[in-house]
Amino acid sequence: AQTVTQSQPEMSVQEAETVTLSCTYDTSESDYYLFWYKQPPSRQMILVIRQEAYKQQNATENRFSVNFQKAAKSFSLKISDSQLGDAAMYFCAYRSAHGSGNTGKLIFGQGTTLQVKP
Amino acid sequence: ETGVTQSPTHLIKTRGQQVTLRCSSQSGHNTVSWYQQALGQGPQFIFQYYREEENGRGNFPPRFSGLQFPNYSSELNVNALELDDSALYLCASSSRMGEQYFGPGTRLTVT
Repeated sequence: AQTVTQSQPEMSVQEAETVTLSCTYDTSESDYYLFWYKQPPSRQMILVIRQEAYKQQNATENRFSVNFQKAAKSFSLKISDSQLGDAAMYFCAYRSAHGSGNTGKLIFGQGTTLQVKP
Repeated sequence: ETGVTQSPTHLIKTRGQQVTLRCSSQSGHNTVSWYQQALGQGPQFIFQYYREEENGRGNFPPRFSGLQFPNYSSELNVNALELDDSALYLCASSSRMGEQYFGPGTRLTVT
């Protein structure tokens, strides 16, 4: 079974600085997707960034980028120029490319609460 | 394009009661997944519906059941509520194996 681990329950960053959130996962599959989701106090889960395992190039979305190390099964999120609106809980998630029973279910980590200080 | 909506927003029930939560999927999506998120934890997959059929289930007992309707909206039913069922219930819609878009969730409190 696949597992996702986020070892940092809480992180803080000064506004305009850079912060990196860590995520490791375990799987025997070679084809899968990895995601970072943001969940602000409003509770709505918002997709931040997505990485396909077959792509060596790290995904980037504006101020958000990932460091995907497939061999090490590591998938960290870097937030540059942090803004007050980035404060939220961040979840790392795994999804099999072919689906266990073709469900496409997401497997989430425990989350990291990010505080942004003005 | 209408996003994923869920109702109600909050709900308080008594142990032993039954509850129905509702989800309207995003336009063009035929798959709905349900997740349970306990306070301070990551969401856990309950089950998924694809074209009105259950298409996979997580480690939840049979008292958690669901339905998907021809318009692809969905219901999550929980019977014989227990205190541990208190959680945020999230619905996500997608095309088959596509990106999942989440609704705002229903906060269920069981007393």
